[in-house]
Amino acid sequence: KNQVEQSPQSLIILEGKNCTLQCNYTVSPFSNLRWYKQDTGRGPVSLTIMTFSENTKSNGRYTATLDADTKQSSLHITASQLSDSASYICVVSSNYGGSQGNLIFGKGTKLSVKP
Amino acid sequence: DAGITQSPRYKITETGRQVTLMCHQTWSHSYMFWYRQDLGHGLRLIYYSAAADITDKGEVSDGYVVSRSKTENFPLTLESATRSQTSVYFCASSESRSLSYEQYFGPGTRLTVT
Repeated sequence: KNQVEQSPQSLIILEGKNCTLQCNYTVSPFSNLRWYKQDTGRGPVSLTIMTFSENTKSNGRYTATLDADTKQSSLHITASQLSDSASYICVVSSNYGGSQGNLIFGKGTKLSVKP
Repeated sequence: DAGITQSPRYKITETGRQVTLMCHQTWSHSYMFWYRQDLGHGLRLIYYSAAADITDKGEVSDGYVVSRSKTENFPLTLESATRSQTSVYFCASSESRSLSYEQYFGPGTRLTVT
């Protein structure tokens, strides 16, 4: 069964600290992996998208890594800010059937950054 | 540039009533999607549309109906609302069927069925 598991479920860190969020998946065949940020009461916004051949991608203070062999990804946030408080969702897409409908969403990690 | 909008943002309705959630995008994206988000679940696909007059079911389509008469609009109708349909609904759009293309999400509609 195609699944995306994220850990931890929630995380509290102090402003200025770094943190790393984890994503493990059992999706096959794999097409790409995305990380989204979802602020409370808002829709998800894309941070990064990585294909099979990419093992790292940065977007400002956000750096995503992908190990396609172990089917693991991580999202590293550097020098956290209060505005980083949000849920972070890992999404894996499968090109089975070639349909846009095959996005498998993780449940997200809720990050709280405290002053 | 309004992007993708949803209305209403909040809705309370009674069991058995019909309710329609609206989604409008200004990018002329071909693909549009409806998801629901519930505690303890990732976003789940309800329906998607590849173009005007072309729609297809997602993972959790029972109890929902969609239409797409114009490229920019993709309304979602709950024909007879049930309490299990209490959720936050997100509309999304994408310019291509390629899985490398982004999906852009609307702000969501929080629906409560009493």
